[in-house]
Amino acid sequence: QQKVQQSPESLIVPEGGMASLNCTSSDRNVDYFWWYRQHSGKSPKMLMSIFSNGEKEEGRFTVHLNKASLHTSLHIRDSQPSDSALYLCAAMNYNQGKLIFGQGTKLSIKP
Amino acid sequence: AQTIHQWPVAEIKAVGSPLSLGCTIKGKSSPNLYWYWQATGGTLQQLFYSITVGQVESVVQLNLSASRPKDDQFILSTEKLLLSHSGFYLCAWSLGTGGYAEQFFGPGTRLTVL
Repeated sequence: QQKVQQSPESLIVPEGGMASLNCTSSDRNVDYFWWYRQHSGKSPKMLMSIFSNGEKEEGRFTVHLNKASLHTSLHIRDSQPSDSALYLCAAMNYNQGKLIFGQGTKLSIKP
Repeated sequence: AQTIHQWPVAEIKAVGSPLSLGCTIKGKSSPNLYWYWQATGGTLQQLFYSITVGQVESVVQLNLSASRPKDDQFILSTEKLLLSHSGFYLCAWSLGTGGYAEQFFGPGTRLTVL
């Protein structure tokens, strides 16, 4: 079973709308979360990271973290067609010293 | 500025044949290096990591091996390919310890095993 679970599996959002993506770790030994974006056929690029409770905003992107539930979410406002991609959440396991990736959410922005 | 190259860009190989994939990082001294594998449309799975020349740690056993012959070079190889080896292979680098530092991914190598 995937230790980092992302939902939904896929999401369609109209252009200009808000996209909300979720990620939860069932591995309690994690303390740092990353969000990567991967366009089709390309390599992942880091979007945002968070390790403190609360929220962090960068431009159109906002990320939330609840450390008690090990749940993070990514919100994209004013979605653009170029935001269409696979979004990967990763959690840092501090015991093993490695990143554990979720299965991703495929986001499609409809013009 | 740092650059990361992977070679080849794509490869089509027969089951049972050998494989060697390469990764070079320029512009950074003593980076941490990683190999990841991604099945089509799937999640990233870390295979190996290296913090210094000549030292490689295996994370997942997939009948693959890795070596770091130079500070800026990371090689992934196997003597006998399996169908299950098909996928997207990504090399990544970071500075600093473990997953607390951002990992930067190379362009990847797409491998098809027939």
